[in-house]
Amino acid sequence: GENVEQHPSTLSVQEGDSAVIKCTYSDSASNYFPWYKQELGKRPQLIIDIRSNVGEKKDQRIAVTLNKTAKHFSLHITETQPEDSAVYFCAASLFGSGNTPLVFGKGTRLSVIA
Amino acid sequence: EAQVTQNPRYLITVTGKKLTVTCSQNMNHEYMSWYRQDPGLGLRQIYYSMNVEVTDKGDVPEGYKVSRKEKRNFPLILESPSPNQTSLYFCATGTSARSYEQYFGPGTRLTVT
Repeated sequence: GENVEQHPSTLSVQEGDSAVIKCTYSDSASNYFPWYKQELGKRPQLIIDIRSNVGEKKDQRIAVTLNKTAKHFSLHITETQPEDSAVYFCAASLFGSGNTPLVFGKGTRLSVIA
Repeated sequence: EAQVTQNPRYLITVTGKKLTVTCSQNMNHEYMSWYRQDPGLGLRQIYYSMNVEVTDKGDVPEGYKVSRKEKRNFPLILESPSPNQTSLYFCATGTSARSYEQYFGPGTRLTVT
């Protein structure tokens, strides 16, 4: 089955700097790669996702890049703010015929220092 | 208001006492799933359901049961809970009609002593 590795497990950045979180996946058939943000004591919420037919997607200060050949994808947060502090999870799955479970990475705790 | 609800939100129980955690959604989503979240292990999928009467095992199904008799409900059953099932549990729902986003419930914190 699918296996997702996420690095780093913790990340501290100064406010205004950029943060990058990287994930690798094992199943070359996976075609959907979401990123979820979980604030302390709250439920995970989708912040951005990308499908395998796209190499990059951007939404204001966050962007995700996908390299299907290398089987890795990354989350980029620019101009970080204290409210970006949270745990971020990447995930991978195959959606379509023969859907498979969404497999999550172990998470990255991002701390933005004011 | 579109929402996913879980009950109970907090539960302390003893080893071997059967329990059920309910999950209900009002978004008419086909897909429902259960995850457990443990420190350092992230979110691990227990079971998922693509539609009514269709359920499949996730990564960590041992010790759990589910059923999907109606679209809106997807209860998680622990027939004989053990301390290693102490965890934070999330139900999630989704549809592939427009996107693959999953909407998580508020979570249920379970402690088995």
